[in-house]
Amino acid sequence: EIVLTQSPGTLSLSPGERATLSCRASQSVASAYLAWYQQKPGQAPRLLIYGGSSRATGVPDRFSGSGSGTDFTLTISRLEPEDFAVYYCQQCGISPYNFGQGTKLEIK
Amino acid sequence: QIQLQQSGPGLVKPSQTLSLTCDISGDSVSNNSAAWNWIRQSPSRGLEWLGRTNYRVKWYIDYAVSMKSRITINTDTSKNQFSLQLNSVTPEDTAVYYCARSRLTLFGIIIAFDSWGQGTRVTVSS
Repeated sequence: EIVLTQSPGTLSLSPGERATLSCRASQSVASAYLAWYQQKPGQAPRLLIYGGSSRATGVPDRFSGSGSGTDFTLTISRLEPEDFAVYYCQQCGISPYNFGQGTKLEIK
Repeated sequence: QIQLQQSGPGLVKPSQTLSLTCDISGDSVSNNSAAWNWIRQSPSRGLEWLGRTNYRVKWYIDYAVSMKSRITINTDTSKNQFSLQLNSVTPEDTAVYYCARSRLTLFGIIIAFDSWGQGTRVTVSS
């Protein structure tokens, strides 16, 4: 099975700053099957990015995804107060559809 | 707009069966472009995919290997819902359980999990 490792575990930044979150896979993942989710306390995860770089409906364009092979990145260009949350990557191409352990984005 | 509404008990005794249902509105459980999943989340295991079902000519089911001996996912087309049964639960099965829809490519590969239920917190305790 494919294991996803996210880094850093916690990222402390201020509103207006740029956030770069990493997701590394234990084996190559087709970018078409790499997704990113945002989760806030008490809520279900929300799909942000699918296909490695396509924004889901209603997702602001400050969120962008990139990468290929085993290394993928979620970038938030300018942090808004509502962006502070936990972010997960997931590979959807091969069962089991594992998630990374998450990166917590907190206000500095 | 799709909505997934979960129902089921929040407390299950050890060795018993955990049963949850996910009612679908705004889509069909028989939609051949979608799969219907169960995922759980706990502090120790994080987000853990449990299994999925989808219809494409016939019903297809796939379970996580770690769950295969204890899990059953069923569908009820008349009620437009799918369900999770997890047998012989232990305190390790305590988690928030989610149902979710995933969209499928033309070749039946999952693209992403685009709609989620509200989550059900299940505690396994006597």
